[in-house]
Amino acid sequence: ETGVTQSPTHLIKTRGQQVTLRCSSQSGHNTVSWYQQALGQGPQFIFQYYREEENGRGNFPPRFSGLQFPNYSSELNVNALELDDSALYLCASSPRPGNSSDEQFFGPGTRLTVL
Amino acid sequence: GESVGLHLPTLSVQEGDNSIINCAYSNSASDYFIWYKQESGKGPQFIIDIRSNMDKRQGQRVTVLLNKTVKHLSLQIAATQPGDSAVYFCAENLGDSWGKLQFGAGTQVVVTP
Repeated sequence: ETGVTQSPTHLIKTRGQQVTLRCSSQSGHNTVSWYQQALGQGPQFIFQYYREEENGRGNFPPRFSGLQFPNYSSELNVNALELDDSALYLCASSPRPGNSSDEQFFGPGTRLTVL
Repeated sequence: GESVGLHLPTLSVQEGDNSIINCAYSNSASDYFIWYKQESGKGPQFIIDIRSNMDKRQGQRVTVLLNKTVKHLSLQIAATQPGDSAVYFCAENLGDSWGKLQFGAGTQVVVTP
């Protein structure tokens, strides 16, 4: 196991609702990245947080927002849920923004279903 | 837009044989590539990486080859085992700091006895 945990494991929401997903980074890691993985596809980068500040964002609308806390855990918030938001949401933690992925570890993901 | 993608969606391999998974990328400016393995119910797991100043890198039972001329990346798994059954993704680093990855669609590897 990687030491990166996510909650909840599964979640079912209806269109228009809001959702908050949580990620606890591995001890010593101050950087968290979030990804959306639709069924049968590769993960898509949403955004990254480094020391409580957003440090880059992918091609996702503003209704996808995040937070990082002083203990470096992180939240992903999605407002006005749409059916296409149904996916596995992955977070990955790393000791710093750098240039090597062998120190970045993914959590098991939260499976979100929007009805 | 530019993207990373895979040629084969499913690869069936007999146990003990070698596996080759291919990936085409289109962003000629990419300088760092990674292979991930994702098992059912788990997040992606780092396998091996390679920088654009290299054309080959070896790990334990795995080798990554990079051909920048044709923008092609491959992962070779030697002596494939049942535990190698998973979805494999190639990814490239998007920005000025890592952790911002662009993944391909993935290849399902099925190891048969």
